[in-house]
Amino acid sequence: GAVVSQHPSRVICKSGTSVKIECRSLDFQATTMFWYRQFPKQSLMLMATSNEGSKATYEQGVEKDKFLINHASLTLSTLTVTSAHPEDSSFYICSAATGGAYEQYFGPGTRLTVT
Amino acid sequence: AQSVTQPDIHITVSEGASLELRCNYSYGATPYLFWYVQSPGQGLQLLLKYFSGDTLVQGIKGFEAEFKRSQSSFNLRKPSVHWSDAAEYFCAVGAGSSGSARQLTFGSGTQLTVLP
Repeated sequence: GAVVSQHPSRVICKSGTSVKIECRSLDFQATTMFWYRQFPKQSLMLMATSNEGSKATYEQGVEKDKFLINHASLTLSTLTVTSAHPEDSSFYICSAATGGAYEQYFGPGTRLTVT
Repeated sequence: AQSVTQPDIHITVSEGASLELRCNYSYGATPYLFWYVQSPGQGLQLLLKYFSGDTLVQGIKGFEAEFKRSQSSFNLRKPSVHWSDAAEYFCAVGAGSSGSARQLTFGSGTQLTVLP
């Protein structure tokens, strides 16, 4: 149980285009989903927290207009990187949590490369 | 604000040897503590967690961790390491009050190399 999927696993896009990453909880309802960014050989940096049906809460320094997060249902959250640039290249990981629980279940991650 | 320190960036052990990965946390209330493992290019897998109760917790893959409040530590241990244990290990502390988002703060990670 508690499986989280991400799609795509890898994506290459050209500078200036937008990319959408999906995060799905496959066998449970995720009231809260988290989006992280991880640079090579570094820890996870929390970008934003989204609750189903509400606007996402972004961490300081994360541009909300660049990283659009939508959590339209209890099983799906999307992260859209708008007008991507090479510096946006990174490993993006989502996680999901159910109401009242501290444990997060992580997706396998998405490797974004912007050329 | 909470913080997590993993003092060892990289640890190398021989297969079959014992392992201890260190984790120290800073948090004003009772912490919720986690150890995750990450293989290259993969997401994070939960090894074990501590919420309350017995301070020695058992996890998957033969790992265990001991919560020591007096030392603000939650070290991860394994009596005999297998080559497949080579990965990045992250300690994390959970924060957030009831009803709020349950954010995790991660340590910087410890890379484990296992020698044959």
